[in-house]
Amino acid sequence: DVKVTQSSRYLVKRTGEKVFLECVQDMDHENMFWYRQDPGLGLRLIYFSYDVKMKEKGDIPEGYSVSREKKERFSLILESASTNQTSMYLCASRGGSIVGYTFGSGTRLTVV
Amino acid sequence: AQSVTQPDIHITVSEGASLELRCNYSYGATPYLFWYVQSPGQGLQLLLKYFSGDTLVQGIKGFEAEFKRSQSSFNLRKPSVHWSDAAEYFCAVDPHTDKLIFGTGTRLQVFP
Repeated sequence: DVKVTQSSRYLVKRTGEKVFLECVQDMDHENMFWYRQDPGLGLRLIYFSYDVKMKEKGDIPEGYSVSREKKERFSLILESASTNQTSMYLCASRGGSIVGYTFGSGTRLTVV
Repeated sequence: AQSVTQPDIHITVSEGASLELRCNYSYGATPYLFWYVQSPGQGLQLLLKYFSGDTLVQGIKGFEAEFKRSQSSFNLRKPSVHWSDAAEYFCAVDPHTDKLIFGTGTRLQVFP
């Protein structure tokens, strides 16, 4: 089974800090995704990547950036964390086949 | 506008009762269709998916979903709900753009 690992389950950061959320997948998938989950809003796509060094904006990219230097790793970066970025962040990956979108367990980020 | 709609924010059923969770989409061509479940504090688990063919799809945990092209719907059903089914359920579509778009979710509460 594909495994998608998010390095932190819970994070607490201060306003203005630069925050890195890390995601690693172990099945050589081309496509990786970062979502944000908020009550009543479902999951919203922040950024996605089709390949190394490739990135595309999703629906809510403002305040975020991403990095994909290696195929297995997709990092979400909050350049200057703000309280409205307090949320659950979910990473996913997908291979060439449509069959498998696999999600990580999520990182709950609190910005104080 | 293209969207995925889950009209029921919160549903309460008694254990043993039948369940139907609604999902409608508005995309020109039939997208790939998915249902995910998220238990409290957990990541997303795929229940079932529809790509083509038989419009009645069987999934895990006794769930099934029916694709109705004429109604642009993909409703999730279970004939007899168990207390362990209490969770949040998300409908999602991939409109052939290599990314997954989610509805806002339906929270299911089960009474004994």
